[in-house]
Amino acid sequence: AQSVTQLGSHVSVSEGALVLLRCNYSSSVPPYLFWYVQYPNQGLQLLLKYTTGATLVKGINGFEAEFKKSETSFHLTKPSAHMSDAAEYFCAVSVSPGGYQKVTFGTGTKLQVIP
Amino acid sequence: NAGVMQNPRHLVRRRGQEARLRCSPMKGHSHVYWYRQLPEEGLKFMVYLQKENIIDESGMPKERFSAEFPKEGPSILRIQQVVRGDSAAYFCASSRLGTSYNEQFFGPGTRLTVL
Repeated sequence: AQSVTQLGSHVSVSEGALVLLRCNYSSSVPPYLFWYVQYPNQGLQLLLKYTTGATLVKGINGFEAEFKKSETSFHLTKPSAHMSDAAEYFCAVSVSPGGYQKVTFGTGTKLQVIP
Repeated sequence: NAGVMQNPRHLVRRRGQEARLRCSPMKGHSHVYWYRQLPEEGLKFMVYLQKENIIDESGMPKERFSAEFPKEGPSILRIQQVVRGDSAAYFCASSRLGTSYNEQFFGPGTRLTVL
């Protein structure tokens, strides 16, 4: 079975500072990895995903993440935080039992951006 | 091109009543997934359905919960005899194909409150 651990349920950064949200996964088979963002009272929006190929993945809104197999990590970064980045972020892992997508989510990290 | 639709957005029920949550997948999508998000937690997989078939219900509570995705019409998540612990946000997602590399698109969720 796969699992996801997000370190830090709350992260605060100053506007313009580096954003780093940590995610470690566990999977018995090569996984697909995702980061989603959730704004208050809304559904989840896909930020980026890693399936195969290049381990540095670029997503929307200036976010990127690097898949490090040796560290079983998929940390999310953004060079300069913007006020509009304040939201909750979920890391997720997907494997394919029986040929369909089964996604396991982390518990989420709430990002606060301080002006 | 409408996204995943869920209704109602907010639902209030008293203990012992039934709750019916509806999900209309994106056009062209025939795979539907239901997730539950309890307060301060990540999303937990409940059930995966294709048209007229339940493929994986390993995340569904054994009692009171059921799901269907008929040939015509939306997918329905039904909770009978609701209890306070059922209060949560319920999200539906859809995908075009069931394989891992197909993104799941999420609806805005239904927030169930049990009084």
